[in-house]
Amino acid sequence: KQEVTQIPAALSVPEGENLVLNCSFTDSAIYNLQWFRQDPGKGLTSLLLIQSSQREQTSGRLNASLDKSSGRSTLYIAASQPGDSATYLCATLLGGTSYGKLTFGQGTILTVHP
Amino acid sequence: NAGVTQTPKFRILKIGQSMTLQCTQDMNHNYMYWYRQDPGMGLKLIYYSVGAGITDKGEVPNGYNVSRSTTEDFPLRLELAAPSQTSVYFCASSYTTPDRGRWEQYFGPGTRLTVT
Repeated sequence: KQEVTQIPAALSVPEGENLVLNCSFTDSAIYNLQWFRQDPGKGLTSLLLIQSSQREQTSGRLNASLDKSSGRSTLYIAASQPGDSATYLCATLLGGTSYGKLTFGQGTILTVHP
Repeated sequence: NAGVTQTPKFRILKIGQSMTLQCTQDMNHNYMYWYRQDPGMGLKLIYYSVGAGITDKGEVPNGYNVSRSTTEDFPLRLELAAPSQTSVYFCASSYTTPDRGRWEQYFGPGTRLTVT
């Protein structure tokens, strides 16, 4: 059974800092890994999706890397802003007959203060 | 496209009551899912469907039922509501490429359910 763990559980940083969120998973036979953002009381917004054959994906100030062999992914946020404050979730999709079912980590709550 | 829509947004149930959470997608996706999210936790899969008429259990199916009569709709039924079912419920749909090499899920806004 896939287990996904995110560290740290919470992070508070001043505006402008570069920061790294970590995600680890136990089963490396994944199709892909997705990073989501969740604002308080809201749904999930997909930020980045990394295919198993890829090493990283970038979107604006966000960069996600994937190391399947070590079971790790990192989400790098450059020049953080207060608007980045949210919960960040990573989720893996296992290969085989998973039918698209995702396994989620518990999330990292990020607070960026002015 | 509206994407994935869910109704209601909020609901308070008394213990023992029943209700149906509605989910509709307009992207013609075959795959649909129901997840629940408890406070401070990630999402856990309740049920999923690979097409109309085909459903299967996820990680936490007890206390729930689903049906899928059309591609668009995937309602979640709660029978005899219990306080442990207090949670936020998310519906999602997914497409995949013909070789199943790429999957991407799209989520609805969620339904906040409180059972007292």
